[in-house]
Amino acid sequence: AQSVAQPEDQVNVAEGNPLTVKCTYSVSGNPYLFWYVQYPNRGLQFLLKYITGDNLVKGSYGFEAEFNKSQTSFHLKKPSALVSDSALYFCAVRDKGGGGNKLTFGTGTQLKVEL
Amino acid sequence: EADIYQTPRYLVIGTGKKITLECSQTMGHDKMYWYQQDPGMELHLIHYSYGVNSTEKGDLSSESTVSRIRTEHFPLTLESARPSHTSQYLCASHGTSGPNEQFFGPGTRLTVL
Repeated sequence: AQSVAQPEDQVNVAEGNPLTVKCTYSVSGNPYLFWYVQYPNRGLQFLLKYITGDNLVKGSYGFEAEFNKSQTSFHLKKPSALVSDSALYFCAVRDKGGGGNKLTFGTGTQLKVEL
Repeated sequence: EADIYQTPRYLVIGTGKKITLECSQTMGHDKMYWYQQDPGMELHLIHYSYGVNSTEKGDLSSESTVSRIRTEHFPLTLESARPSHTSQYLCASHGTSGPNEQFFGPGTRLTVL
């Protein structure tokens, strides 16, 4: 079985400050990991993914995420937050070795960036 | 911008009506998915398809049904809508090879009165 945990329902950060949105995962094998963002009344937009290789993954809009196998984490980061980054963020996992092609999503973290 | 479309974007209907939510993609993806999402909440997989004439139920039980007669089209039908069906429905797809990310449509927000 595969699962994802996003321990924070909401993260508040001031514009210009660095932001981190946390994600931990559980799979029986090796993971494929994804981050998506959702703006109000929209579908999910893909931000970045970890497949293999370099543990630091760079994605859209200046976001990056670091894969940490020992801590089974894949935290989303951005060095300098913008008000326009305010949205709902989802982490997702898929087991490389099984489970088919289905993704398991976390419960989402609402990011609020204030002036 | 992903080439995956959903119609209608918003739908308000009365109890007991039959509805079909449309989802189409022009990317030639063989794998398609339907998720149900309450506002600001997590996504629940309700149906998926790995190709034409292939459909499976997802992790969350749903009274809806789906069909996959053409690769590009994956409609979802509710035979008799109820207020408990009020939710947002998101369609997604991805290609065959590799650990590809899913592309999402804009969603249909359904309200059943």
